[in-house]
Amino acid sequence: DARVTQTPRHKVTEMGQEVTMRCQPILGHNTVFWYRQTMMQGLELLAYFRNRAPLDDSGMPKDRFSAEMPDATLATLKIQPSEPRDSAVYFCASGLGINQPQHFGDGTRLSIL
Amino acid sequence: KNEVEQSPQNLTAQEGEFITINCSYSVGISALHWLQQHPGGGIVSLFMLSSGKKKHGRLIATINIQEKHSSLHITASHPRDSAVYICAVLSNSGYALNFGKGTSLLVTP
Repeated sequence: DARVTQTPRHKVTEMGQEVTMRCQPILGHNTVFWYRQTMMQGLELLAYFRNRAPLDDSGMPKDRFSAEMPDATLATLKIQPSEPRDSAVYFCASGLGINQPQHFGDGTRLSIL
Repeated sequence: KNEVEQSPQNLTAQEGEFITINCSYSVGISALHWLQQHPGGGIVSLFMLSSGKKKHGRLIATINIQEKHSSLHITASHPRDSAVYICAVLSNSGYALNFGKGTSLLVTP
């Protein structure tokens, strides 16, 4: 079965460090989503790409977060500098459009000390 | 106030029971998603609907656009249905996904 692959699965680092999370969407999917999940806020949409172009990143703190798709097989989410409040599980999902079902990766569990 | 409200927040049922989880929203939407998150953390998309009803196995999702309400039903519940069920709505603008806080379901044998 085709799957969305996220790396790393777990990341623990000290505050101030740069964090890069990667996502390989399902081949052929043209939309990619980044989500953050915390106990307090639940799931939040951070950014959304269609055909590698960012269409909505209004949910993302712009001063420290950046999301890119260098090519159709790779999406990245970077945090620089990281802060303890960034600790969360970050999910990537891909699909064939925002009005289509989304396939989720297993998530990256990030802990900022 | 969250634009998407789910009820109940927590639900415990015995195996075999019929289960209903509700989702109400306050914005105009073009579609609604039901997601399932297993205890291990993985998220699966169960349904995406914009009108009427969809059925997949023992799961049924309905939506009433006029009343801004959707329900997820599980017939003949089983312990493996234990998970968090999350409702998410896609606004009419087409870009913003708003999530409910989730309903934690435990089905006991």
